[in-house]
Parts: sequence; structure tokens; C-alpha cells
Amino acid sequence: DVVMTQTPVSLSVSLGGQVSISCRSSQSLVHNNGNTYLSWYLQKPGQSPQLLIYKVSNRFSGISDRFSGSGSGTDFTLKISRVEPDDLGVYYCGQGTQYPHTFGAGTKLELK
Amino acid sequence: EVQLVESGGGLVQPGRSLKLSCAASGFTFSNYYMAWVRQAPTKGLEWVASITNSGGSTYYRDSVKGRFTISRDNAKSTLYLQMDSLRSEDTATYYCTRGAGGRLDYWGQGVMVTVSS
Repeated sequence: DVVMTQTPVSLSVSLGGQVSISCRSSQSLVHNNGNTYLSWYLQKPGQSPQLLIYKVSNRFSGISDRFSGSGSGTDFTLKISRVEPDDLGVYYCGQGTQYPHTFGAGTKLELK
Repeated sequence: EVQLVESGGGLVQPGRSLKLSCAASGFTFSNYYMAWVRQAPTKGLEWVASITNSGGSTYYRDSVKGRFTISRDNAKSTLYLQMDSLRSEDTATYYCTRGAGGRLDYWGQGVMVTVSS
């Protein structure tokens, strides 16, 4: 199975600040078809997870450009700029390149 | 608007069965892979099973293989998860999700399954 390692476990940020979350996979996430199926999800308190970023760097419908994804192969990053109160929650990276699909353990974003 | 509404959860004894349903609307159900993802209390996300748009292929995590069965009825736009031989470690909120291009782009509100005597 592909192990997804997220760091840090938690982050404290001031409103308006910028943060980065790292996600590393134990194997390359490049699919045979050339696509890299690495996604980022946010689970706000008491809510279901929601898709933010797919295929490394593509923002999902309605997602602010304050969220950006980058990386390749086994090393990926989610950046959030100008942090707002609605951004708080737990962020997960997830891979859909191979079965079983797997997720990172999550990064909790809190207010400083 | 895409909507996924799960039902069928509850409290069940170890070794017993439960069947979850997910009613989909707002999109052409038969065009999409679907999946179940679960989250144990205070834990992270864990993919459980996926099914292709036609239902012709299914995929499971090892810990549920042989016990869980994912299926779908495209005429009813409904996804199912039959869970047999339930264990305490299956206790979780189960989310129905729509799969598209290696991503899970819409999630239901989740349904709680508690396995306990």
C-alpha cells in the first residue's frame, strides 16, 4: 500500500497569514497514463470532507485561488495564503493512483 | 446540485450485518465511479471500497475483503454497502463519495455505524 506522510501534524496561524503543508508518498504517484492523482481535502469541524485540489495543482470548482498545490512524484505541498477563519479544520492529502486509495493522517490548522 | 444522502447506519452487535445506502441526485449517476470512505471516531480518513460506473468492477481494502460488498443500482441512482461479520474496528462514520479522475469530488453527510455488544 502507498503510505502518505503529512507534516506537520498541526499548524497555528494568524488570520491573513500563509501556511504550507507537506505530503510525501512512499511510492511515486505517477499513474501509467501519466497523470498524478494526488488530491487535497479539508474537513471543517463537524462537516464532511470537501475536495480542494486534484491532480496535484488543479483547484476544484468554487475553491479560492488562495489555495494552491504543487509537487511531483512523491513530494507534494499545499499552500494557503491570506488565511481566513473558514479555512480552519483538518487537511488531508489523498492518492487515487493505485488501490487501495490512501490518505495522510491529517494536518490540523488552528488559529494562533 | 450534486447530493449524496446516506442511510442505514446504527448500532449492531459484532458478527451481525448492516446495509448502507446512498441516494444520489444532481448528476448522471451511471457515468461515475463511486466509493465508500470511513472515519473512526477522532481518527483520519480510510478508503473502504470503490465500484466502477457500470458496476462491473469492485475494489476493497484488505480488512473488509470477503465481509463487505459494494454494489449499485444505476436505475435507482443508489449506491450500497453490504457489511457482514461486523467487527468493533468497523465502528466509524461512513461517507458515500463520487469518484472522478482519481479524486473524490463530492461527499455525503455521513452515516454512523457502531459495532458493539
